[in-house]
Amino acid sequence: SAVISQKPSRDICQRGTSLTIQCQVDSQVTMMFWYRQQPGQSLTLIATANQGSEATYESGFVIDKFPISRPNLTFSTLTVSNMSPEDSSIYLCSVAVQGLFYEQYFGPGTRLTVT
Amino acid sequence: AQKVTQAQTEISVVEKEDVTLDCVYETRDTTYYLFWYKQPPSGELVFLIRRNSFDEQNEISGRYSWNFQKSTSSFNFTITASQVVDSAVYFCALSDPTSGTYKYIFGTGTRLKVLA
Repeated sequence: SAVISQKPSRDICQRGTSLTIQCQVDSQVTMMFWYRQQPGQSLTLIATANQGSEATYESGFVIDKFPISRPNLTFSTLTVSNMSPEDSSIYLCSVAVQGLFYEQYFGPGTRLTVT
Repeated sequence: AQKVTQAQTEISVVEKEDVTLDCVYETRDTTYYLFWYKQPPSGELVFLIRRNSFDEQNEISGRYSWNFQKSTSSFNFTITASQVVDSAVYFCALSDPTSGTYKYIFGTGTRLKVLA
């Protein structure tokens, strides 16, 4: 498995501002993902963070709103830009471990509240 | 298209009762993986089990057991002698490794409440 940490664990932000969430893994992994979980809902994949190239975004998510960086195989950031109350969610990063049948392991999540 | 259905939105049981969480999936692929995750109130998703499409053997791990039936496209999860600590949201997920993306399709989750 992999140990994943996220910063911050929670934040309360004003609308119109931006927040950058960090995800750190204790080992090199090929695949990293970012998910959003709105209150009481399931997980929705935002994008796959690709090392050394632009992230691959899912339908409904755009780079201008959710820019992602992945400078190396153990670290990624997700920025939530120009926030509105609708962005209030838990944001989770996950990694897929190739040697373990691509099981995904999740970070503890970042609880974001936008006021 | 791939899809995962967890028809049970919320289940409440009394401690020590057995409970089964249903998961039905749809896929045209012959190779795929199925997963169960637990999300306690703290929010972190905890990996419980992986099953690949070629292995229909049922699995037991302590009070947890899983029943995989390709004929009905189901991968159900049973908790025996439930405990209050089992209270959580449980997600079933489907992955197609041959697509090269390793993305998950999640079900909508089942909230389990175990009452003391």
